[in-house]
Amino acid sequence: EIVMTQSPATLSVSPGERATLSCRASESVSSNLAWYQQKPGQAPRVLIYGASTRATGLPARFSGRGSGTEFTLTISSLQSEDFAVYYCQQYNNWPLTFGGGTKVEI
Amino acid sequence: EVQLVESGGGLVKPGESLRLACTTTGLTFRNAWMSWVRQPPGEGLEWVGRIKSKSDGGTIDYAAPVKGRFTISRDDSQNTLYLQMNSPQTEDTAVYYCATLYNAYVYYFDYWGRGTLVTVSS
Repeated sequence: EIVMTQSPATLSVSPGERATLSCRASESVSSNLAWYQQKPGQAPRVLIYGASTRATGLPARFSGRGSGTEFTLTISSLQSEDFAVYYCQQYNNWPLTFGGGTKVEI
Repeated sequence: EVQLVESGGGLVKPGESLRLACTTTGLTFRNAWMSWVRQPPGEGLEWVGRIKSKSDGGTIDYAAPVKGRFTISRDDSQNTLYLQMNSPQTEDTAVYYCATLYNAYVYYFDYWGRGTLVTVSS
């Protein structure tokens, strides 16, 4: 199974700052990578798929990059509603696997 | 609007059985590839299993920790997905989400239910 590793586990930032989250795959997943946002008590929601394609309605401050084994999610200017936990997920191989998450906090 | 609503969670003793259901509206369920994803309290997300649409063969695959104990099924006439949990153990305690896979070739989760909590405890 492909192991997804996210870093850092926790990212402390201030509103308006830039946040960069990393996700590494134990083997190449091509561009078959998605990012999700999860707020307390809510289900995850997809933000990015295909490593860099924003989901419908997602603000442009969210961007995804990478391919192969190294990926990043960047939030260019954090808004209050962006404080949440973010997960990456590979869908290149079964079983589908998630990273352990990065908590973005103030 | 696509909606997924899970039900059937609760407290169950180790070794007993529990069946979860996920009722769907707003999508062509018979064509959908469906999955269960779980999240232990305070932890991350774990894929549980997937069932293809019948038109794509209806194949079911499971994550290793649940294989042989859990069974996924679907009732296309009722637009409902099921997860039969046999012999659950304490480590199966989690919020269980049903989710749709984008399509038969691209396997990210585009719609999620709100989840149902399963607590396995004696």
